[in-house]
Amino acid sequence: QKEVEQNSGPLSVPEGAIASLNCTYSDRVSQSFFWYRQYSGKSPELIMSIYSNGDKEDGRFTAQLNKASQYVSLLIRDSQPSDSATYLCAGNTPLVFGKGTRLSVIA
Amino acid sequence: EAQVTQNPRYLITVTGKKLTVTCSQNMNHEYMSWYRQDPGLGLRQIYYSMNVEVTDKGDVPEGYKVSRKEKRNFPLILESPSPNQTSLYFCASSLSLLSPQSNEKLFFGSGTQLSVL
Repeated sequence: QKEVEQNSGPLSVPEGAIASLNCTYSDRVSQSFFWYRQYSGKSPELIMSIYSNGDKEDGRFTAQLNKASQYVSLLIRDSQPSDSATYLCAGNTPLVFGKGTRLSVIA
Repeated sequence: EAQVTQNPRYLITVTGKKLTVTCSQNMNHEYMSWYRQDPGLGLRQIYYSMNVEVTDKGDVPEGYKVSRKEKRNFPLILESPSPNQTSLYFCASSLSLLSPQSNEKLFFGSGTQLSVL
């Protein structure tokens, strides 16, 4: 059974620092990976999707995918208190989510 | 506005009383899915549907039913709710999730907080 593993955290970083969130997956079928952000009591919202090895940047966010190591990460540069949320990693076929990493950005 | 509409937002019920949580999307999406979210367990898939009249079990289907009689609607039915079904439920839809290469985005409803007493 496919599994997506994440460190549950909480991960605490000071404002302005780089937050690094990591995810590993157990299968080699999934080709696309997603990072969703979820504020407490709200629905998840997509931040990034990545399907090629290497880095993909969007503003302060960078997703990194290494298919050989079955590893995907999300870097948040210049972290802000508004980034404090739970971050969910997911692979597709069909979509399966990790349990999420709670990020706390300290002002 | 493109959206997934879930109702109700909050629901308190008693053990054994049948209930239905509705889900509707206005984006002509083929794929729809139900998740439940519990503290420490993350999002777990209950059922999903690749198209009309096509449904399949997810990771935690016991105690739930779904139907997909038309493309836009995907209701979640609890025939005899029990306290262990107290959870936050999300409906989601996507244009398609048919291939490993697909990177279609999931659109989520706003969630239904269910309490079964």
